[in-house]
Amino acid sequence: DADVTQTPRNRITKTGKRIMLECSQTKGHDRMYWYRQDPGLGLRLIYYSFDVKDINKGEISDGYSVSRQAQAKFSLSLESAIPNQTALYFCATATGDPSAYEQYFGPGTRLTVT
Amino acid sequence: AQRVTQPEKLLSVFKGAPVELKCNYSYSGSPELFWYVQYSRQRLQLLLRHISRESIKGFTADLNKGETSFHLKKPFAQEEDSAMYYCALAPGSYQLTFGKGTKLSVIP
Repeated sequence: DADVTQTPRNRITKTGKRIMLECSQTKGHDRMYWYRQDPGLGLRLIYYSFDVKDINKGEISDGYSVSRQAQAKFSLSLESAIPNQTALYFCATATGDPSAYEQYFGPGTRLTVT
Repeated sequence: AQRVTQPEKLLSVFKGAPVELKCNYSYSGSPELFWYVQYSRQRLQLLLRHISRESIKGFTADLNKGETSFHLKKPFAQEEDSAMYYCALAPGSYQLTFGKGTKLSVIP
């Protein structure tokens, strides 16, 4: 589903560097999410946003920040990357319909912090 | 707080054998439960949700509130079912809480 795109798809960076992961969607959805996926730990929610002015912390927000630049764009930043932030990061979107729980995922960004 | 438990990290079955991926949840309210699937090199996608009571790709899942379970079942496994499966709970606040996932490997 190319409606949710993530850039870059792969990134290797060094400890202490600032890095931004970007997510764009053409689905017109209000809700956007950032997850990280680690082997054996599943998906854990980092941040989520219900609209441009509504941003909320998830389960593991420490060390991360986000920006909702527009309805279609939601960026995740690592201010000072550390090796245990090496993971696969997923963006997801969902409609604002309270009865619609389905989330649509992007292809993921594989981040390696050395 | 809500919790989703998938007790098996890896499940291997032979082609044609029945499959059951276990999911147990902990939630004080009335849950909305889902199964998501991630095939190799593909993005995570919704497989089915309990409220629709449908069968997708031969898979079904029944919500058992007494046992707080939402196990995913298929009578005859196919090779193309090999994937990572995640059980997820929606506590009603537009969020999903995922289990740690079970990797299903179907042996030809």
